[in-house]
Amino acid sequence: GAVVSQHPSWVICKSGTSVKIECRSLDFQATTMFWYRQFPKQSLMLMATSNEGSKATYEQGVEKDKFLINHASLTLSTLTVTSAHPEDSSFYICSATDQNSPLHFGNGTRLTVT
Amino acid sequence: GNSVTQMEGPVTLSEEAFLTINCTYTATGYPSLFWYVQYPGEGLQLLLKATKADDKGSNKGFEATYRKETTSFHLEKGSVQVSDSAVYFCALSGGYNKLIFGAGTRLAVHP
Repeated sequence: GAVVSQHPSWVICKSGTSVKIECRSLDFQATTMFWYRQFPKQSLMLMATSNEGSKATYEQGVEKDKFLINHASLTLSTLTVTSAHPEDSSFYICSATDQNSPLHFGNGTRLTVT
Repeated sequence: GNSVTQMEGPVTLSEEAFLTINCTYTATGYPSLFWYVQYPGEGLQLLLKATKADDKGSNKGFEATYRKETTSFHLEKGSVQVSDSAVYFCALSGGYNKLIFGAGTRLAVHP
């Protein structure tokens, strides 16, 4: 069964609103979670690395004020897309690890901003 | 910096055909190499991996050998099935489980 659950699987929102995506590790404690963005027919681009209890580390070119990441517990990380615009429409995928096991990926969230 | 280059798709094959998807990498040090598969509407699943030179990763009939001399990690399968239709991503580990992905290769297998 799935060891990383991502919710929602798809969401449509209006331009200017904020959207929160959750990533949960179901049967292990995820000390580190990663957030990726995937454009249609393209690869996954790492957005940020989040360690439990500390601030996320963002990749170059990713706006930290636009993509808010919180990793307050060992089983949950959230990505909030603030003031979303149509160009933020994408497929967002999280992955999680407890450092002793391979990465596990969520099933992704398709965000459409109208 | 580290990077992964894989052949562009789509790759279209008939069932039972032989599959090769090329992947080459550029990296400092000795990264681990991975192949991930993404089925439509789903997240990524680890298909196989290799952690050092000359290692061969294998799973579900797929194989890939870590070739340091050619900096390659080509994915092969002797006889593909319709159910193998998916997008395949080659990736390397940049340390701390931080993965760098290739652009992905879409495989379509027809009966």
